[in-house]
Amino acid sequence: SAVISQKPSRDICQRGTSLTIQCQVDSQVTMMFWYRQQPGQSLTLIATANQGSEATYESGFVIDKFPISRPNLTFSTLTVSNMSPEDSSIYLCSVVIDSSSYEQYFGPGTRLTVT
Amino acid sequence: GENVEQHPSTLSVQEGDSAVIKCTYSDSASNYFPWYKQELGKGPQLIIDIRSNVGEKKDQRIAVTLNKTAKHFSLHITETQPEDSAVYFCAATIYKYSTLTFGKGTMLLVSP
Repeated sequence: SAVISQKPSRDICQRGTSLTIQCQVDSQVTMMFWYRQQPGQSLTLIATANQGSEATYESGFVIDKFPISRPNLTFSTLTVSNMSPEDSSIYLCSVVIDSSSYEQYFGPGTRLTVT
Repeated sequence: GENVEQHPSTLSVQEGDSAVIKCTYSDSASNYFPWYKQELGKGPQLIIDIRSNVGEKKDQRIAVTLNKTAKHFSLHITETQPEDSAVYFCAATIYKYSTLTFGKGTMLLVSP
């Protein structure tokens, strides 16, 4: 497996502002993803973070709202832009370690509340 | 795209009983089925998984079965303990894409 950390672990933000969430892995990984988990709900994939190129977004998620960077094989950021109360969720990064493995491991999550 | 249905949404058992959670999937091309346990305030933890070329997999008190023809898979927990209390999620994916589609989750409560 891999050790995945996220910063911040939680935050309370004002509507209209932006928050950048960091995901750091203790080893190089082949794939990184960002998921959203709304209160009491399941996980929904936001996008695949591609190293050195634009992220691949799922239906319903756009780059202007959720810009993602992945500058190297151990680090990625997700920004939640122009926040509204509907963005209050847990944001999770996950990784697949190498191209031969199936297993996907999740970070501890960032709990975001927008007031 | 893939759709994963999970049942039941809540499950209450007595310590020592068995618990079974069932999932169905829609895309016959899906070939990897992980199960995650999420405790309150934590990220999902991979507890067991199964690939489409295997019908059953066991790891101590937990097991997963897969029926490709019926497109359903199940999580079995035997000799449940209070520390098994959590939300369990099933998921499905086509391996080469790795993008998981999750079920809605099952809240398992094990009473002492």
